[in-house]
Amino acid sequence: GENVEQHPSTLSVQEGDSAVIKCTYSDSASNYFPWYKQELGKGPQLIIDIRSNVGEKKDQRIAVTLNKTAKHFSLHITETQPEDSAVYFCAARRGYQKVTFGTGTKLQVIP
Amino acid sequence: AAGVIQSPRHLIKEKRETATLKCYPIPRHDTVYWYQQGPGQDPQFLISFYEKMQSDKGSIPDRFSAQQFSDYHSELNMSSLELGDSALYFCASSPRNEKLFFGSGTQLSVL
Repeated sequence: GENVEQHPSTLSVQEGDSAVIKCTYSDSASNYFPWYKQELGKGPQLIIDIRSNVGEKKDQRIAVTLNKTAKHFSLHITETQPEDSAVYFCAARRGYQKVTFGTGTKLQVIP
Repeated sequence: AAGVIQSPRHLIKEKRETATLKCYPIPRHDTVYWYQQGPGQDPQFLISFYEKMQSDKGSIPDRFSAQQFSDYHSELNMSSLELGDSALYFCASSPRNEKLFFGSGTQLSVL
């Protein structure tokens, strides 16, 4: 089955700086890569996603890049704000199958 | 916009008791997923349903069962509860092969 690794497990940045979270996946047939933000006591919230036929996608301060050859994908958050503090999960999915999550990154934005 | 609704929000049970968790997907979403998330862990896939039929199965104990009803809501039934079953249980819904949206979860505590 799919295995998704995520780094770093914790990340502290100053407000206004950028944050980068990296993931690798094992199943070369995975074709959908969502990113979720989870705040304490809440469910994962989809913030951005990318499909395997696209190399990069951007939505305001958030961008995701995908390298299919290396089986890497990354989340980039620019101009970080305190409200960006949360746990972020990358995930991968093959076709109609379940979404497999990475181990999570706890992001702390220091005002 | 309508979201995934889960009930109850919190549930406290004794060991060896049973519990039933309910999930109401977003209207017109035909696929439901159940995930279990332990403290500080990533969500682990339990089971999914597409058009009321089980579509995939993950690390779900034999003590657990689930089904999707004609109105597309789903229930996760958990019997002979153990201390280790204490976790957040999330339901997610999606149109087939599309984005997954998660509910706020049910916090199950087994005493």
